Amino acid sequence: AQSVTQPDIHITVSEGASLELRCNYSYGATPYLFWYVQSPGQGLQLLLKYFSGDTLVQGIKGFEAEFKRSQSSFNLRKPSVHWSDAAEYFCAVGALDMRFGAGTRLTVKP
Amino acid sequence: GAGVSQSPSNKVTEKGKDVELRCDPISGHTALYWYRQSLGQGLEFLIYFQGNSAPDKSGLPSDRFSAERTGGSVSTLTIQRTQQEDSAVYLCASSLRGGGQVGTQYFGPGTRLLVL
Repeated sequence: AQSVTQPDIHITVSEGASLELRCNYSYGATPYLFWYVQSPGQGLQLLLKYFSGDTLVQGIKGFEAEFKRSQSSFNLRKPSVHWSDAAEYFCAVGALDMRFGAGTRLTVKP
Repeated sequence: GAGVSQSPSNKVTEKGKDVELRCDPISGHTALYWYRQSLGQGLEFLIYFQGNSAPDKSGLPSDRFSAERTGGSVSTLTIQRTQQEDSAVYLCASSLRGGGQVGTQYFGPGTRLLVL
């Protein structure tokens, strides 16, 4: 069965520092992988997605993620975090019945 | 409308009562999804509609939960005889494609349900 693990429940980084949020998945076939962001009081917004092809995908707001099949990972990165990036981040895998991770809450220190 | 809308935004009910949650998807989107987000949890898939096909109900947690989609547009999620563990945010999403093709899901703001 497909599943997603986000090992970090809460991460705090300083503004301007780099960020990496971890995501590990279990999926029986070629995975469709997504990262969503949920800001306080907002709905979920798609940051980026991977279906096939180049394993490094670029998303909105300066985020990128790299698909590593050998590690079953799809980690999200950003070179320089802004205070507005503080939010909850969800990794998801699947197609029709997507499975979401439990989320990682990002706090940005000034 | 411009996005997925859900109503009500908040619902407080007493244990044992029935509730109905509504979702208006983006016009033209053929696929519609319901998820549940409990406090501190990820999103739990509940049900998926694609066009006029029979819905995928594999995620519904019990027979107290049901959903319908009328005219291929608006959807209603019904919870009968609510329990306190049903308290959560219920999220609806729609996408342009389904039926084996993966489309980006656009989420509504959710309905926050509290069962007392």
